[in-house]
Amino acid sequence: QKEVEQDPGPLSVPEGAIVSLNCTYSNSAFQYFMWYRQYSRKGPELLMYTYSSGNKEDGRFTAQVDKSSKYISLFIRDSQPSDSATYLCAMSAGGAQKLVFGQGTRLTINP
Amino acid sequence: DTAVSQTPKYLVTQMGNDKSIKCEQNLGHDTMYWYKQDSKKFLKIMFSYNNKELIINETVPNRFSPKSPDKAHLNLHINSLELGDSAVYFCASSQAKGSYNSPLHFGNGTRLTVT
Repeated sequence: QKEVEQDPGPLSVPEGAIVSLNCTYSNSAFQYFMWYRQYSRKGPELLMYTYSSGNKEDGRFTAQVDKSSKYISLFIRDSQPSDSATYLCAMSAGGAQKLVFGQGTRLTINP
Repeated sequence: DTAVSQTPKYLVTQMGNDKSIKCEQNLGHDTMYWYKQDSKKFLKIMFSYNNKELIINETVPNRFSPKSPDKAHLNLHINSLELGDSAVYFCASSQAKGSYNSPLHFGNGTRLTVT
């Protein structure tokens, strides 16, 4: 079993829809949780990060962490075609050093 | 200005050859990394250097040898290339080790194809 599981998709939704992306993990020592966005032929870029459980909101993006269920989510409201990318969850027990990434979910927002 | 730049962008070579990938960051970061992304998009850490010192060396064949001449540069040399080495290799940097709110800044990758 992989430490971090993420449905690779692809996921295709119409513009304006609410998108929900999820990851599950097995290592209870993870306490730092991040979402990276990767456009085609580009490197991943940090979108959101949270520490421990709870929610964090940034504009149209909301990150949720449920440590009891070992489950994290990223919600995108009012999705735009420019949100089309691969979204990777990443987590670590401490620091940026040994991030463990999910496989990434490929998302397409259709105009 | 490109924060993390790596060259070349594409590399096509034959099995058995030796090749190098170069990386430079102008962010003033202390820590640099090499990640490998396979065809299924899994991104896995290979090496990490902090101030020219190797601090992470994951289970990687010893045909792969990183070199950090200074804290702004981290190169990756690969000997005796194999078909399974075909992947996208990403260089990344961060402000400090052990700091969760110091995100990784990635380069745009080097797409290596071994034929």
